[in-house]
Amino acid sequence: DIQMTQSPSSLSASVGDRVTIACRASQGISNYLAWFQQKPGKAPKSLIYAASTLQTGVPSKFSGSGSGTDFTLTISSLQPEDFATYYCQQYYTYPLTFGGGTKVEIK
Amino acid sequence: EVQLVESGGGLVQPGGSLRLSCAASGFTFSSYWMSWVRQGPGKGLEWVANIKQDGSEKYYVDSVKGRFTISRDNAKNSLYLQMNSLRAEDTAVYYCASYRKSSDFDYWGHGTLVTVSS
Repeated sequence: DIQMTQSPSSLSASVGDRVTIACRASQGISNYLAWFQQKPGKAPKSLIYAASTLQTGVPSKFSGSGSGTDFTLTISSLQPEDFATYYCQQYYTYPLTFGGGTKVEIK
Repeated sequence: EVQLVESGGGLVQPGGSLRLSCAASGFTFSSYWMSWVRQGPGKGLEWVANIKQDGSEKYYVDSVKGRFTISRDNAKNSLYLQMNSLRAEDTAVYYCASYRKSSDFDYWGHGTLVTVSS
């Protein structure tokens, strides 16, 4: 199985900060990498697929990059509604696997 | 508007069975693979199963193989998950989601809670 490792597991940031979350796959997955946002008690929301393509309706403050084994999610200017847990996930092969999540909290 | 509405969750004893349903609307259900993803209490997301548009291909995470069965009824725009031999570690919120190889999970339901406890 492909293991997905996110770092950091949590971070504190202020409104307006630029935030970067890293995700590493245990083997190459090309660009079959997605990012999700989840708020407490809510379903996950799809943000990015194919490593860097925004899902319809997702604001451009979110961006993704990477290929192979190393990927990043960047939020250009953190807003109050962005405080949430973020997950990466590979869909290169079965079983589909998620990273452990990064909780973005208010500083 | 796309909607995925799960139902069928509840409290069940270890070793028991439960059938989850997911009613889809607002998109062409028969054109999408469909998925179940779960989240244990205080834990991260775990993919459970996928099913192809016509039901001819199914994939499962190892921990549920032989116990869970994913199925669909395209005439009813519905997805199902039959869960047998349930264990405490199956306790989770179960989400249904649409899936495409080109864009991964597109739409998500709100989830249904399954609690396995005596």
